[in-house]
Amino acid sequence: EVQLVESGGGLVPPGGSLRLSCAASGFTFSSFEMNWVRQAPGKGLEWVSYIGSSGSIIYYADSVKGRFTISRDNAKNSLYLQMNSLRAEDTAVYYCARAGLYPNFDYWGQGTLVTVSS
Amino acid sequence: DIQMTQSPSSLSASVGDRVTITCRASQSISRYLNWYQQKPGKAPKLLIYAASSLESGVPSRFSGSGAGTDFTLTISSLQPEDFATYYCQQSYGIPRTFGQGTKLEIK
Repeated sequence: EVQLVESGGGLVPPGGSLRLSCAASGFTFSSFEMNWVRQAPGKGLEWVSYIGSSGSIIYYADSVKGRFTISRDNAKNSLYLQMNSLRAEDTAVYYCARAGLYPNFDYWGQGTLVTVSS
Repeated sequence: DIQMTQSPSSLSASVGDRVTITCRASQSISRYLNWYQQKPGKAPKLLIYAASSLESGVPSRFSGSGAGTDFTLTISSLQPEDFATYYCQQSYGIPRTFGQGTKLEIK
């Protein structure tokens, strides 16, 4: 069974940093591209970042470019999101999502809440 | 960026009704269109990919159609568990973008 479990969320002041993790199991992690998608409270879904299966191809949404860094450790079956210079508008539930063989998000974690507030 | 616009933003319907949600892309995306269902406090769930392909395990009352810029999600006979928010999402370009969502409520 495919499982994605996020961790690392919490309360952080504006300008602070946080590192999210996503532990993957139930599939060959190193063969799949991965994404982070976020959802602000009461709002819709926003794609944040993509990383290829080997980590060599990376994309970011303009809203986080230069502040967030996506990475992965295929030996540890783990995906990461380093978030720096956090702003109030980054407050959201952050989901890791697997990219299916067709370009979609076929499996999602349960999400981890990041709150940026003083 | 490719903008995705869903209509309606909210919809009231009854169990047994046939419901259609529309999604329009700001440029042609061929058939690179996916549909997700999200229930309160839960992660989204993939329903339809490639505009019309049913994800494994999804009931056959869900169907998708369209190509180019105009797409639809149809639920043929609403069940109580279908009341949720539905999102379309394009996989044609980067950034991946979602529609604003359609909240389906019980009448």
